Amino acid sequence: GNSVTQMEGPVTLSEEAFLTINCTYTATGYPSLFWYVQYPGEGLQLLLKATKADDKGSNKGFEATYRKETTSFHLEKGSVQVSDSAVYFCALSGGETSGSRLTFGEGTQLTVNP
Amino acid sequence: DAMVIQNPRYQVTQFGKPVTLSCSQTLNHNVMYWYQQKSSQAPKLLFHYYDKDFNNEADTPDNFQSRRPNTSFCFLDIRSPGLGDAAMYLCATSRDRGSYEQYFGPGTRLTVT
Repeated sequence: GNSVTQMEGPVTLSEEAFLTINCTYTATGYPSLFWYVQYPGEGLQLLLKATKADDKGSNKGFEATYRKETTSFHLEKGSVQVSDSAVYFCALSGGETSGSRLTFGEGTQLTVNP
Repeated sequence: DAMVIQNPRYQVTQFGKPVTLSCSQTLNHNVMYWYQQKSSQAPKLLFHYYDKDFNNEADTPDNFQSRRPNTSFCFLDIRSPGLGDAAMYLCATSRDRGSYEQYFGPGTRLTVT
């Protein structure tokens, strides 16, 4: 079946630091890949997505590239802000066995200090 | 703005007392989902509707039921809440089945006393 593995958290950074959150996946077929962000007490918000190999999703300074050869979708941001503190979930859907079901990674708690 | 709305945001119920959570959407999406999330863990899918077709996850307890009376609304019924059912409940929608992104509501935080 499908699975998503995220780097273990929590991650603590100083403002303006570079962020990488690793995400790798296992799936058959050609899934779509997503990053969702969850702020305290809120629902999940779609941060970015990529639907095919070599696609780069980007939003609010965050980027992730769909790498089929390494089955990865790492999230990066060049300069984080305090307001980026949240939980980040990598997820996939589609492929041959997933249908419309989202498969989530474990989530990574990011804290950015001023 | 088109969105997914959940009411109430916070719900307190007593042990064993039935409770209903509601979700509405203005996106006119075909698929609606209910998730349970505990302590910033990954959301756990309970069930979803594809139009009027109900799809239950194999490990969803019978205590959880759902209704979708029309395209816009979907309800989660917990027939006899236990202390272990205290969680955030998230509603989501997607345009169709397949590799489409899901749009989440703000969630309902359920407390069981």
